[in-house]
Amino acid sequence: GAGVSQSPSNKVTEKGKDVELRCDPISGHTALYWYRQSLGQGLEFLIYFQGNSAPDKSGLPSDRFSAERTGGSVSTLTIQRTQQEDSAVYLCASSLLSGEDTQYFGPGTRLTVL
Amino acid sequence: EDQVTQSPEALRLQEGESSSLNCSYTVSGLRGLFWYRQDPGKGPEFLFTLYSAGEEKEKERLKATLTKKESFLHITAPKPEDSATYLCAVQDGRGSTLGRLYFGRGTQLTVWP
Repeated sequence: GAGVSQSPSNKVTEKGKDVELRCDPISGHTALYWYRQSLGQGLEFLIYFQGNSAPDKSGLPSDRFSAERTGGSVSTLTIQRTQQEDSAVYLCASSLLSGEDTQYFGPGTRLTVL
Repeated sequence: EDQVTQSPEALRLQEGESSSLNCSYTVSGLRGLFWYRQDPGKGPEFLFTLYSAGEEKEKERLKATLTKKESFLHITAPKPEDSATYLCAVQDGRGSTLGRLYFGRGTQLTVWP
């Protein structure tokens, strides 16, 4: 079956612009996660959705970052007034439920802020 | 404080030369430990989940084991196509962090012919 998909695959933007990153989870998966992978760093948790609600937003690095999920499916991660330190690969994962369930990752969106 | 530490950072093996990768963790209540493989420019690909000390899982040339403080990923007779970065992640079963994975920085494995 289809895996997690993300778009765009690459995004180049200028400092100060807003960007939106999209994630389509595996059909039927109720839990959705966003992570960030910076050069030379491990994957860093950003936010977790169970259905349309986000019980854990504690990983969002600043109030410039926000995310929503609609219809229990597609999620959008928005970064406002982008900064150069936001440059990273943004990865989305989904799992059937939460807790112990395996998270399956998408291919990621590579964001470059000039 | 890092909760997951992987070693070595990089490993070069000749084809057929078996070795092990290490993942040590410090979470207070382990809910699950996960191994992923990541190829350049791609997202992590799931390999194994381990839940309790003493558990072992195998897949082709890979075998993962778990103790109360660490996990090992054993690679037997590796091939060049096993070259990738191997990531270890844990889920903490306590507090409000349900579902969140804490990742190590990975071990970059290169297998040469």
